[in-house]
Amino acid sequence: AQTVTQSQPEMSVQEAETVTLSCTYDTSENNYYLFWYKQPPSRQMILVIRQEAYKQQNATENRFSVNFQKAAKSFSLKISDSQLGDTAMYFCAFMKPRLIISNFGNEKLTFGTGTRLTIIP
Amino acid sequence: NAGVTQTPKFRVLKTGQSMTLLCAQDMNHEYMYWYRQDPGMGLRLIHYSVGEGTTAKGEVPDGYNVSRLKKQNFLLGLESAAPSQTSVYFCASSYTLPNEQFFGPGTRLTVL
Repeated sequence: AQTVTQSQPEMSVQEAETVTLSCTYDTSENNYYLFWYKQPPSRQMILVIRQEAYKQQNATENRFSVNFQKAAKSFSLKISDSQLGDTAMYFCAFMKPRLIISNFGNEKLTFGTGTRLTIIP
Repeated sequence: NAGVTQTPKFRVLKTGQSMTLLCAQDMNHEYMYWYRQDPGMGLRLIHYSVGEGTTAKGEVPDGYNVSRLKKQNFLLGLESAAPSQTSVYFCASSYTLPNEQFFGPGTRLTVL
């Protein structure tokens, strides 16, 4: 079974600074997908960024980027020029792809326990 | 499009009562999921469905039942609520792998 570990329960950073959230995972799979989800106080889960394991290039979405280290099984999220609206819980998640049409069950997201990020004005 | 909606948003039950949470999506997604979120534990999958008429167990299925009679709806039932089922419940849907899962706004359930 896959496990996802977020070792930083809480973090805070000054507005406009850069912050990096850590995530490690454990799997024996070679192909998989990794995600970062954001959950603001509104409770809505929002996809921030996605990384396919077969891609060596790190994913980037505007101010959000990842550092994907496949050998180390590490998937950290970097937020540049942090904004007050970035205050939220951030969850790292793992998904194993369904390679065989009858192999139901791989569609599940396995989540880490989250990091509560506070941006200080 | 409304996306993924959940009904109700809040509910308080007494131990032993039953209830059904409704999830609806208007994106024609094949896959639907029910998660529960507890403090310090992230989200855990309760049950999921890979298409109309199909359901399967996730990580924490005990005490819950689900049905997917229509493609757009996924119902989560609690037959005899217990205080351990106090949680925030999220529904999600996705079209196909590895697309993202779209989440509903959540239902906060308290069992006294």
